[in-house]
Amino acid sequence: EAAVTQSPRNKVTVTGGNVTLSCRQTNSHNYMYWYRQDTGHGLRLIHYSYGAGNLQIGDVPDGYKATRTTQEDFFLLLELASPSQTSLYFCASSSGSGNTLYFGEGSRLIVV
Amino acid sequence: AQSVTQPDARVTVSEGASLQLRCKYSYSGTPYLFWYVQYPRQGLQLLLKYYSGDPVVQGVNGFEAEFSKSNSSFHLRKASVHWSDSAVYFCVLSVNSNNRIFFGDGTQLVVKP
Repeated sequence: EAAVTQSPRNKVTVTGGNVTLSCRQTNSHNYMYWYRQDTGHGLRLIHYSYGAGNLQIGDVPDGYKATRTTQEDFFLLLELASPSQTSLYFCASSSGSGNTLYFGEGSRLIVV
Repeated sequence: AQSVTQPDARVTVSEGASLQLRCKYSYSGTPYLFWYVQYPRQGLQLLLKYYSGDPVVQGVNGFEAEFSKSNSSFHLRKASVHWSDSAVYFCVLSVNSNNRIFFGDGTQLVVKP
């Protein structure tokens, strides 16, 4: 069974704070994704990656950076967190276009 | 432009009743289509997927979906729902030509006892 692990599961930070969300997959998948989920918007793609060192911009990238350090690890960085980034963040991986996405359990971020 | 529309934000059915959740997609090529389910406080899990062939695909827990190219639809069905089916259901389109994935906004299913 494919496994995607996110940390932290819950985080509270202040406006202007620095946050890193981590994602690790043990599926040997090349593709990894970061989404945010907000009521009324479904899932929106922030950044994604085709492999270590690769980064692609998603649909809502403003205020976010990402880095894919290895095939397994994909990080989402919020360097100056704002209340509008309060959300539920999901990481996902897949073996390629058209293939099943495997999701982590989510990281809930609150920016006060 | 590619997109997915789930016209029903919330569907309420009685336990034991049949279910259809609607999904329409926009894409001129050959789509890869998925249904995912999200239970409370969990990530999304695959229910079923369609790539080609038989337009009716079977999934887990008695769910099935029917692909219709003429209607650009991929509706999800279940003959008899259980209270544990209460969750949010997402229809997803994957486009091979540009490696993009498109999510519908989700349909909240509420199963009444």
